[in-house]
Amino acid sequence: NAGVMQNPRHLVRRRGQEARLRCSPMKGHSHVYWYRQLPEEGLKFMVYLQKENIIDESGMPKERFSAEFPKEGPSILRIQQVVRGDSAAYFCASSPHAESTDTQYFGPGTRLTVL
Amino acid sequence: QQQVKQSPQSLIVQKGGISIINCAYENTAFDYFPWYQQFPGKGPALLIAIRPDVSEKKEGRFTISFNKSAKQFSLHIMDSQPGDSATYFCAASDTGGFKTIFGAGTRLFVKA
Repeated sequence: NAGVMQNPRHLVRRRGQEARLRCSPMKGHSHVYWYRQLPEEGLKFMVYLQKENIIDESGMPKERFSAEFPKEGPSILRIQQVVRGDSAAYFCASSPHAESTDTQYFGPGTRLTVL
Repeated sequence: QQQVKQSPQSLIVQKGGISIINCAYENTAFDYFPWYQQFPGKGPALLIAIRPDVSEKKEGRFTISFNKSAKQFSLHIMDSQPGDSATYFCAASDTGGFKTIFGAGTRLFVKA
């Protein structure tokens, strides 16, 4: 049973470009969470999605950031018009159930560098 | 009120020693407290977790101590090994909620 997969592992973008980060949850998991980790900091919750639904996006910046989890295919975190401050590691996690007390399984992360 | 404060930021321990990491929270609605271990270049992995109905939970060399009245909990790593060198995050969430709030992390280095 493959774990949570994220790609790309490293992504370099110039200011103003778009970044697309993909997350494939573990098999049988229909709940996906995205987190951002700045250097030397903890993980900050961004968004929680179920298939085709955004459940909680209270941690997402109001502009330029969006997320989706379509019926088929991976979850996508999209950052438009990237700025240097978007440079961070972005992790997704998946769980089989909705409760936050359920174990979340993390992917290896995508390290975004904005030049 | 949503914060989880973690200390120390970094910790150096001799092989065989005890590593202690502390966390404090304010939101009394939190009722699930996991600890995650993260190696460089990897995602965090659940290490051990506790609910506030118990004051201590032990799994191998890892023990969580929980003080509900003080709203504090801590991770103890007994007989620390160089392979334990990693960043440790405490976290908190409430049943029925969707968010897990993470502490800022503690970088542990165990000297051989």
